[in-house]
Amino acid sequence: GAVVSQHPSRVICKSGTSVKIECRSLDFQATTMFWYRQFPKQSLMLMATSNEGSKATYEQGVEKDKFLINHASLTLSTLTVTSAHPEDSSFYICSARERDHEAFFGQGTRLTVV
Amino acid sequence: GQNIDQPTEMTATEGAIVQINCTYQTSGFNGLFWYQQHAGEAPTFLSYNVLDGLEEKGRFSSFLSRSKGYSYLLLKELQMKDSASYLCAPMDSNYQLIWGAGTKLIIKP
Repeated sequence: GAVVSQHPSRVICKSGTSVKIECRSLDFQATTMFWYRQFPKQSLMLMATSNEGSKATYEQGVEKDKFLINHASLTLSTLTVTSAHPEDSSFYICSARERDHEAFFGQGTRLTVV
Repeated sequence: GQNIDQPTEMTATEGAIVQINCTYQTSGFNGLFWYQQHAGEAPTFLSYNVLDGLEEKGRFSSFLSRSKGYSYLLLKELQMKDSASYLCAPMDSNYQLIWGAGTKLIIKP
């Protein structure tokens, strides 16, 4: 299957700082990218959907000023968690899709805010 | 509203067969995906059904009945490494995946 690379896989940051997570599609053009967060033993929760060159569409309850998403090219999307707090600690996962094909997932990023 | 219903947990024996059922209600339908997720890892793609019927791929098969809003994932010749959560995710009219909580499958020797 197609490869989606997500970095970093783990990050620990201090409260109040910002963290950037990258998601790259390595062998296809990701016309749409999705960002999810997942708390332990819970379902994936969609945070936002981004189409290349357009502003991201955020799900209800997700603060767009806190979770900045950039999808500047067909192979790269970034999620920046600004002014992170301990409650932002979670598993963040991106997925990418070319048009209406199946979505492939990155490896996920475990964020711990201390 | 949109809804996914899967059993929370299932247990099966190594070498056996297990069927994980999923019923769904979505606003429009553009196919249904099954993903496997090991603890602490991202989901990996298993199958995609958009037409009624059975799709076979090695030890895994997936079935879809659009009129019944029903799908199942069939795992044969179970191996210990198959212990994971299995997520049924239909795609709605906006091409958004709708996620349930998944089924935790426990394989015993």
